[in-house]
Amino acid sequence: NAGVTQTPKFRVLKTGQSMTLLCAQDMNHEYMYWYRQDPGMGLRLIHYSVGEGTTAKGEVPDGYNVSRLKKQNFLLGLESAAPSQTSVYFCASSPREQFFGPGTRLTVL
Amino acid sequence: TQLLEQSPQFLSIQEGENLTVYCNSSSVFSSLQWYRQEPGEGPVLLVTVVTGGEVKKLKRLTFQFGDARKDSSLHITAAQTGDTGLYLCAGPLTSTQGGSEKLVFGKGTKLTVNP
Repeated sequence: NAGVTQTPKFRVLKTGQSMTLLCAQDMNHEYMYWYRQDPGMGLRLIHYSVGEGTTAKGEVPDGYNVSRLKKQNFLLGLESAAPSQTSVYFCASSPREQFFGPGTRLTVL
Repeated sequence: TQLLEQSPQFLSIQEGENLTVYCNSSSVFSSLQWYRQEPGEGPVLLVTVVTGGEVKKLKRLTFQFGDARKDSSLHITAAQTGDTGLYLCAGPLTSTQGGSEKLVFGKGTKLTVNP
């Protein structure tokens, strides 16, 4: 089992560019999550999904969109990147306790 | 809003020392989880405590859930350099619909164990 995987691991964007972060899990978990982690701010929930075809907003959803077309995949999109979105992004999946991916380090210039 | 406060925020100790970190809230939680995050990686679950007053041991790590289920502590005996990392506590966030599919995380304690 690969667990939770994230692609890409690193990315540098210019302000206004768009990109999609991919999260995949092979544990058949219903729940999936996207977090961002910033110094001094801890883990903050962006969006989450309680099952295929469903999504919901978390604590900091503005500027992000998500889709869960397949149970094993959860995509996070940035339509028009801003420097404030420079962060480390973590995906997680869960039956109850959360299993995290290795993270994507995104820099927006 | 349910919040989890962790203390201390930073802790730097020498190998072989003992330490305790805390996770406190004014709210009651049905359970609390502890995660460890090493630099450049995602958090990894260490333990879940469920019953008030519960004590769980994981080798040199001892986790305790407060009797009132509002707080938890993590005690490390004879710390090793491999214990270095960010320790996060998390608890289920009850939604208005009664579900608890989300977690609220504390901001963590960054532990450095020096050789």
